[in-house]
Order: sequence, then structure tokens, then C-alpha cells
Amino acid sequence: DAGVIQSPRHEVTEMGQEVTLRCKPISGHDYLFWYRQTMMRGLELLIYFNNNVPIDDSGMPEDRFSAKMPNASFSTLKIQPSEPRDSAVYFCASRSTGTGNTIYFGEGSWLTVV
Amino acid sequence: AQSVSQHNHHVILSEAASLELGCNYSYGGTVNLFWYVQYPGQHLQLLLKYFSGDPLVKGIKGFEAEFIKSKFSFNLRKPSVQWSDTAEYFCAVNIYSGAGSYQLTFGKGTKLSVIP
Repeated sequence: DAGVIQSPRHEVTEMGQEVTLRCKPISGHDYLFWYRQTMMRGLELLIYFNNNVPIDDSGMPEDRFSAKMPNASFSTLKIQPSEPRDSAVYFCASRSTGTGNTIYFGEGSWLTVV
Repeated sequence: AQSVSQHNHHVILSEAASLELGCNYSYGGTVNLFWYVQYPGQHLQLLLKYFSGDPLVKGIKGFEAEFIKSKFSFNLRKPSVQWSDTAEYFCAVNIYSGAGSYQLTFGKGTKLSVIP
């Protein structure tokens, strides 16, 4: 089975630019999560969806961040405008209740904002 | 609010030494417990999990963890570490909050460095 697929794997962008990160969850999974990992704050949950509906976005740092899930096989996390402090690894993860609540992570999108 | 505490930020061991990484959580209800491992430059991978039953859980690569409900702990152990175990280890607790909603909380992680 294909795992959670994220793109791009690496992105370097200038401050002020729009960044869009993409995620394809594991087929059949009904939950999708976006996490951010930094040295200072560790792993933070930004937002999660259930059946394409955002359930909890309390972890989204500010209005510059937005996430969408237009269908069961695709989600985006957008940062506009980006700032250097947004530099981090962004992980997408998915799970299904049928998998016993185990979350499976993608390989991450390594974002550097200069 | 529930929290997950990993007491050791960085652990350094020699090869063949025994390992125990602590994990405590604060929640009195039913929990699912996980340990994830993140090798340098890679994503998080599931090491082992506990949902119910035998509180001693065996995972991949010789790792095991014991759930002690009275201590709200889920410590990770390995009797003899290898250089390839160098990674960061994350404890996570999945709490059912009703109406089909789950909240997964991660600890801050423990970096393990194994010296050949």
C-alpha cells in the first residue's frame, strides 16, 4: 500500500511568498492531520479533518495559515504570506478508525523561508 | 488539558547498553498509547502501540513498552541498543473525547544517541 504522500519534499522560498503544501492520505483513511515540527516547539498539531471536514484548527498559528480538504484523497496547507519563523518540517498524517486509531505519517515537507 | 511528558531530552548510551525512556501522561480515562521513532532526516514511524490487553507490548526492532495504569506511564525499553537505534523517540497518547473525536497528543521527544 502507498503511504501518506506529501509534496514538495523540500522547498526554499523568500519571505512574503505563498507556500502550498500538498498531501494525499492513505486510501480509505477518514482522518487527516497536519503537524509542524521545529526544534523549539517539537511536534505541534495544526489542524485535523474527519471525512474532509475540519474538526479542530486551534493549532493553526495565525490567519496566514489555511488548510483545505476538497476531497477524501487530497489536502493542502497554505501559508500566505510566508515568514522566516514558518521554517519547519510539515507532516501530514492519516488514519482510519478501522486501523485502531494508529496514525501514519508522510515523509514531511521541509520548508525554509529566507 | 491532557499532557504527555518525556522526562529525558537527550540520552547518550554505548552500544549494548540497556535503554529505558520515560513517558507519563495526564488523563484519567481510556487511552491509546504509542511510541514513534524518527530517524535522522526521516518521518515518524510507529514503533509500538497499546490499546488494551497485556500491558507489556512488544514492538519492532526489539523494543517493548509497559503500560502501568496506576502510574500513568508507558515507558519504552530495549535490553541492548545498537548504533542504528540513534533517533528521536516520541511518546503519544490518543484520547477519545466523545462523538467520534480523538485527540492525539505527543511528548516533546527524547533524542537517543548510541555511541559505537
